[in-house]
Amino acid sequence: DAGITQSPRHKVTETGTPVTLRCHQTENHRYMYWYRQDPGHGLRLIHYSYGVKDTDKGEVSDGYSVSRSKTEDFLLTLESATSSQTSVYFCAISERGSALMSDTQYFGPGTRLTVL
Amino acid sequence: EDQVTQSPEALRLQEGESSSLNCSYTVSGLRGLFWYRQDPGKGPEFLFTLYSAGEEKEKERLKATLTKKESFLHITAPKPEDSATYLCAVQDDDYGQNFVFGPGTRLSVLP
Repeated sequence: DAGITQSPRHKVTETGTPVTLRCHQTENHRYMYWYRQDPGHGLRLIHYSYGVKDTDKGEVSDGYSVSRSKTEDFLLTLESATSSQTSVYFCAISERGSALMSDTQYFGPGTRLTVL
Repeated sequence: EDQVTQSPEALRLQEGESSSLNCSYTVSGLRGLFWYRQDPGKGPEFLFTLYSAGEEKEKERLKATLTKKESFLHITAPKPEDSATYLCAVQDDDYGQNFVFGPGTRLSVLP
């Protein structure tokens, strides 16, 4: 298994509270990603990082922010959680191959977040 | 806009009954197509990456193939431990790190 851990693994919080999820990797991969997975929608990209302090938005970035101060850690923050952010959140990592080839992603175990 | 659809949504097989899962995609330029397996309560587990039409890859009872519009995951003589949700995803040549995932096919293999 790729060395990816996520914390916490489960969290229940109330609407309006801030929440931070952590992804930690031991693979020294350049790229890190945050996805959410909801029934009927599949995995959707929230934000990704292509290096320390380098991040970009994905398909569903509204209401989320990210930070990456070290290669191994990628944080996802919900500044003011809403019920629509109840979901399972997955972190993924990849290392860019050659320019002609794609970037296989490896996923963490996930964090189940419930916003009441 | 890139799109990925998968069919069927769910599939029940008897142990040893071979079948195929379909992944249809629309991208402006395919950089890679990925297959993952996901067990309940766990993260997706990487299976295959395919890069160009005509390419095939195999792993145990699984074989993935790719055409210009779709990919198939063939499962030969499945066992109950093959039960899982199988996800397909594409990476578009034009959109860097934006990966588009399909909704998955939920496979159940009965003993």
